[in-house]
Amino acid sequence: QLQLQASGPGLVKPSETLSLSCTVSGGSINSNNYYWGWVRQSPEKGLEWIGSIYYNGNTYYHPSLKSRVTISLDTSKNQLSLKLRSVTARDTAVYYCRLISPIEYYGIDVWGQGTTVTVSS
Amino acid sequence: DIVMMQTPLSLSVTPGQPASISCKSTQSLLHSDGRTYLYWYLQRPGQSPQLLIYEVSNRFFGVPTRFSGSGSGTDFTLKISRVAADDVGVYYCTQTLQVPVTFGQGTRLEIE
Repeated sequence: QLQLQASGPGLVKPSETLSLSCTVSGGSINSNNYYWGWVRQSPEKGLEWIGSIYYNGNTYYHPSLKSRVTISLDTSKNQLSLKLRSVTARDTAVYYCRLISPIEYYGIDVWGQGTTVTVSS
Repeated sequence: DIVMMQTPLSLSVTPGQPASISCKSTQSLLHSDGRTYLYWYLQRPGQSPQLLIYEVSNRFFGVPTRFSGSGSGTDFTLKISRVAADDVGVYYCTQTLQVPVTFGQGTRLEIE
């Protein structure tokens, strides 16, 4: 059974870079027609899509975060990663990794358990 | 950005009674491929969101038949025919027609 486990530092200082990993078990990160992504959730903004990376390497980012965010796949570690630069308190949230494969392919919609990130000095 | 607006924001329902949640988008979610990219998720307390309905009206694997989705264009509805205790949580509609993917504010369902 495919599972995602997000991890990273729970506390990041303002202006630094937030780096999160999402370890994939029960499946390969390198599969065709898999669409990986990150979503965050805060009381202020609710659920907020951060961006996605497709199996073919194409990336799509939220316009408001595009200048600060990088999403990538590490096939050697079977991991998805998120880097968010120059963080502020507004980046404090629970961060979820997720995998989607449309119904006509594998019919997958899996979210990791969420990892809490606090931006504070 | 496409804005998703849900009503009501909270709902208190007696077990066995129906419930209905509305979701409106600021532009049509109908793609030129003929598909409508509107989804419904449930986030149970302390859990990650889970997919209930994809493309307006299709129940995802394992979703009970008491859940149904309907609508078209910009107006969509999620209905629960008979609410069960397990249905407690926050329901979100979301669109994937256009980047950025956007979510509704969420509708909190409580059991009376």
